[in-house]
Amino acid sequence: EDKVVQSPLSLVVHEGDTVTLNCSYEVTNFRSLLWYKQEKKAPTFLFMLTSSGIEKKSGRLSSILDKKELFSILNITATQTGDSAIYLCAHSGGSNYKLTFGKGTLLTVNP
Amino acid sequence: DAGVIQSPRHEVTEMGQEVTLRCKPISGHNSLFWYRQTMMRGLELLIYFNNNVPIDDSGMPEDRFSAKMPNASFSTLKIQPSEPRDSAVYFCASSHGSLPPKLFFGSGTQLSVL
Repeated sequence: EDKVVQSPLSLVVHEGDTVTLNCSYEVTNFRSLLWYKQEKKAPTFLFMLTSSGIEKKSGRLSSILDKKELFSILNITATQTGDSAIYLCAHSGGSNYKLTFGKGTLLTVNP
Repeated sequence: DAGVIQSPRHEVTEMGQEVTLRCKPISGHNSLFWYRQTMMRGLELLIYFNNNVPIDDSGMPEDRFSAKMPNASFSTLKIQPSEPRDSAVYFCASSHGSLPPKLFFGSGTQLSVL
């Protein structure tokens, strides 16, 4: 069964800190890995990664994929209180429309 | 664009009652997904429609759950009869058909079955 494991489950930091969120996966036919941010309710799309070693970047957020070691990381530099959210990792495997989500990392950024 | 619209936002019902959740996808999106989120299991895909046709309903927990998409702008998820273990947040998401899907989620329906 395809699986996505995220760590840590929760994290509390101070504004300005840099954080690294981890996502490891097991999948029979890997196609892509995606990151979502969930504030209050609806998850919103952050990144999709398909190739190993190529960093995706958006402002203070960046992500990279290691297909050999089957993991991805999401980095957030100079964190702000608005970064407080649940960060979800998901992969698509054999059924390319089906995303298997991890349980998420709850990030709390204190002023 | 208003995004994916779900109703109701909250639903509290008693065990045995019928529950209907509604979703209006983003105009022009031809794929629609219903997900359920719980603390224990995270986000799970219930059913996937493409061009209004159900493609994969293997995630629907049991026969008490049914979903329809009568046209491109409306979908329903029905639970009949509801049970306390159905309590969860139900999300509808749509995408424009690229694979894997870049999902746009609605705000969800918080369902509590007493």
